Amino acid sequence: SAVISQKPSRDICQRGTSLTIQCQVDSQVTMMFWYRQQPGQSLTLIATANQGSEATYESGFVIDKFPISRPNLTFSTLTVSNMSPEDSSIYLCSVELAGVGEQFFGPGTRLTVL
Amino acid sequence: DAKTTQPPSMDCAEGRAANLPCNHSTISGNEYVYWYRQIHSQGPQYIIHGLKNNETNEMASLIITEDRKSSTLILPHATLRDTAVYYCIVKNFGNEKLTFGTGTRLTIIP
Repeated sequence: SAVISQKPSRDICQRGTSLTIQCQVDSQVTMMFWYRQQPGQSLTLIATANQGSEATYESGFVIDKFPISRPNLTFSTLTVSNMSPEDSSIYLCSVELAGVGEQFFGPGTRLTVL
Repeated sequence: DAKTTQPPSMDCAEGRAANLPCNHSTISGNEYVYWYRQIHSQGPQYIIHGLKNNETNEMASLIITEDRKSSTLILPHATLRDTAVYYCIVKNFGNEKLTFGTGTRLTIIP
């Protein structure tokens, strides 16, 4: 299994500002994923964070709004830029261990934008 | 990835077996059936996965029909801590994204 931590666990931000969320894994992983879960909704994949190359974004998500860094095999950041109240969500990172098949999720970052 | 269909909600009495169905009629030959659950305010938790044979682990059993068009997750002795949203997902094995549907909200009744 993998142990994943996220920082911050929650934050309240003003509109127009940006927040960077950190995801740390206790082992080296090839693939890291960032999801968003809006209030009362299911999870939606934002992007796949690739080590050594640009992230791969899903339809409806763009790099200017959600820039992602992946400097090594155990760490990634997601920035929510120029926030609006519609960005209020839980943001989760996940990893999949090679050859294991299942994904492990972090505890999430609960973001409220005022 | 193939789509899945699950009932939006189910209740189950504590101590009884909880049987959660999932339809995945368009599943392809390479795709596995995965089950995750999300307890309130936590990240999703992996439960079990299978290709075509029935699978069992310490958490649950997975029964996949012979034509692979549907499956059932069985929690053999449900407890209150099993109250959660359960997601059935089909995808290829390996480094691929999970596509979450709306899931089944399972409530365990004391």
